[in-house]
Amino acid sequence: GAVVSQHPSWVICKSGTSVKIECRSLDFQATTMFWYRQFPKQSLMLMATSNEGSKATYEQGVEKDKFLINHASLTLSTLTVTSAHPEDSSFYICSASGQADSLGNEQYFGPGTRLTVT
Amino acid sequence: QKEVEQNSGPLSVPEGAIASLNCTYSDRGSQSFFWYRQYSGKSPELIMFIYSNGDKEDGRFTAQLNKASQYVSLLIRDSQPSDSATYLCAVYFGNEKLTFGTGTRLTIIP
Repeated sequence: GAVVSQHPSWVICKSGTSVKIECRSLDFQATTMFWYRQFPKQSLMLMATSNEGSKATYEQGVEKDKFLINHASLTLSTLTVTSAHPEDSSFYICSASGQADSLGNEQYFGPGTRLTVT
Repeated sequence: QKEVEQNSGPLSVPEGAIASLNCTYSDRGSQSFFWYRQYSGKSPELIMFIYSNGDKEDGRFTAQLNKASQYVSLLIRDSQPSDSATYLCAVYFGNEKLTFGTGTRLTIIP
């Protein structure tokens, strides 16, 4: 149980284009989803927290107009990197916590999306 | 400032021995504690969570929580080469977000 998927697993795009990453909770309803970014050999950095049907809460220093987050249902959240630049190249990981008999407030991570901007 | 601290390692342990990973946190009021394992190039995987003082065992893994001393540890018995990874300690400080430590890199030596 508590499986989270992400799509795509990797993507290469040209500078200036936009990329959408999907995060789905497959076997539970995710009341809250989180988006992280991780650069090589560094720890996870939380970008934003989103609750279903509400606007996302962004961490300090994260541009909300550049990283658009939509959490339209209890099983799907999307992150769109707009006008991507090479410095946006990173490993993007979503996680979800939510409703199920076995779930407390633990977060389950998706497999991540490796973004390369050329 | 809510903080979670871990020794970054690397921690090297012979195969078959017990690996002991430690984590301290800054907020005495924290209620929820988690251990994640992250292989290189992969996302974190939840391996243990603990909410109450004492020990919690799951297979070869034991999480230990001491709220008075503000530390949580993870013991891995009968260490295997496949246990080689970075282990992340994470704590809820009551604001819905997990605060992660920087992780301890564990290497199991065959």
